[in-house]
Amino acid sequence: ILNVEQSPQSLHVQEGDSTNFTCSFPSSNFYALHWYRWETAKSPEALFVMTLNGDEKKKGRISATLNTKEGYSYLYIKGSQPEDSATYLCAFRGYSTLTFGKGTMLLVSP
Amino acid sequence: EAGVAQSPRYKIIEKRQSVAFWCNPISGHATLYWYQQILGQGPKLLIQFQNNGVVDDSQLPKDRFSAERLKGVDSTLKIQPAKLEDSAVYLCASRSGRTASSTGELFFGEGSRLTVL
Repeated sequence: ILNVEQSPQSLHVQEGDSTNFTCSFPSSNFYALHWYRWETAKSPEALFVMTLNGDEKKKGRISATLNTKEGYSYLYIKGSQPEDSATYLCAFRGYSTLTFGKGTMLLVSP
Repeated sequence: EAGVAQSPRYKIIEKRQSVAFWCNPISGHATLYWYQQILGQGPKLLIQFQNNGVVDDSQLPKDRFSAERLKGVDSTLKIQPAKLEDSAVYLCASRSGRTASSTGELFFGEGSRLTVL
């Protein structure tokens, strides 16, 4: 069973703060690294799918970086808003299966 | 484009009873997944289908769980008999891509929340 670790487990910030999370994954048999946002009572939604070492992706105030050689990815949120409150999941794709971490629960207070 | 549909959204049963969940993936998506998400943990893959064939069911408790994907479209996941530890959200997801190794994003349903008393 693959080990995908996310930190911190939870985070509480004020509106306007910038924040970042970490995802650690195996550095072998790498095909892709996914980031998903899961809001309460909704379905998880894909943020990024990253496949190349050194890849950086951005969607609005959210960005992510990827280091496949050392096995980690960072997710950054600039100027957090209350609507960013959600659980952020990363998932490691080996040859065919996708293994998720436990997620980072973010709460942004107004 | 219609999303992934799941039902029921919520189910409460007593232990040793049976339950079934249904999933209709996005039209044309060849790959379908069932994940189990227990509170405080990440989603755990139960079974992955490519069309109507099983790609991975290594973590499916086969003594009580079963799943099928007839005609390579919708799918059902059954638990019989249920145990207390089966209380979880059961997520169905689908993905386009012609092979099991395609790296595209997953599209999830809203999940079926099971409580076993």
